[in-house]
Amino acid sequence: DAGITQSPRYKITETGRQVTLMCHQTWSHSYMFWYRQDLGHGLRLIYYSAAADITDKGEVPDGYVVSRSKTENFPLTLESATRSQTSVYFCASSESVFSANTIYFGEGSWLTVV
Amino acid sequence: AQSVTQPDIHITVSEGASLELRCNYSYGATPYLFWYVQSPGQGLQLLLKYFSGDTLVQGIKGFEAEFKRSQSSFNLRKPSVHWSDAAEYFCAVGRTGGGNKLTFGTGTQLKVEL
Repeated sequence: DAGITQSPRYKITETGRQVTLMCHQTWSHSYMFWYRQDLGHGLRLIYYSAAADITDKGEVPDGYVVSRSKTENFPLTLESATRSQTSVYFCASSESVFSANTIYFGEGSWLTVV
Repeated sequence: AQSVTQPDIHITVSEGASLELRCNYSYGATPYLFWYVQSPGQGLQLLLKYFSGDTLVQGIKGFEAEFKRSQSSFNLRKPSVHWSDAAEYFCAVGRTGGGNKLTFGTGTQLKVEL
């Protein structure tokens, strides 16, 4: 039971570079999410996806792009990384739209922008 | 919009002592409420959730939480803390029809003294 896997787990990049964080889930969950975690802010939703080819903005989408061509994959791209995007990024998935459904989280991707 | 407040940033308890972590939410209707735990370097794991019925909810690892509508609270409790409970704890709220988009509190870091 692989669950959700994120890659890379750790990344250092330079300001202005493009970075893609990968997320893969093996449950065929419809919903997938990207959160960022910052000290003092908890987790904030960047983007979410209800199904393949359906994505929508969350609370902090600026500077990020997502795509979802396949149900199991939900990559997050920073088109031109900035220092303020240094954070821990969590991918998550959920079976359905029912708000009480459990959301399952990956182990996180630590991104440092220098 | 919904919001979550975790007033305690850090809490230290002795092993074997009881624990209560506070969570207050703001939401106009009946919320869906969650507690997640995050161990260092790991993703978030669901401890318990409330969406209807009995206001006292039992979770994994001996945790429980009580939904109090009159106080807009969903405090997490454990009668006897173990050293392995040291972690960060997040309260989250979801709204009906919200498509699983959770709003998280800023977290409470629990330290357990031996």
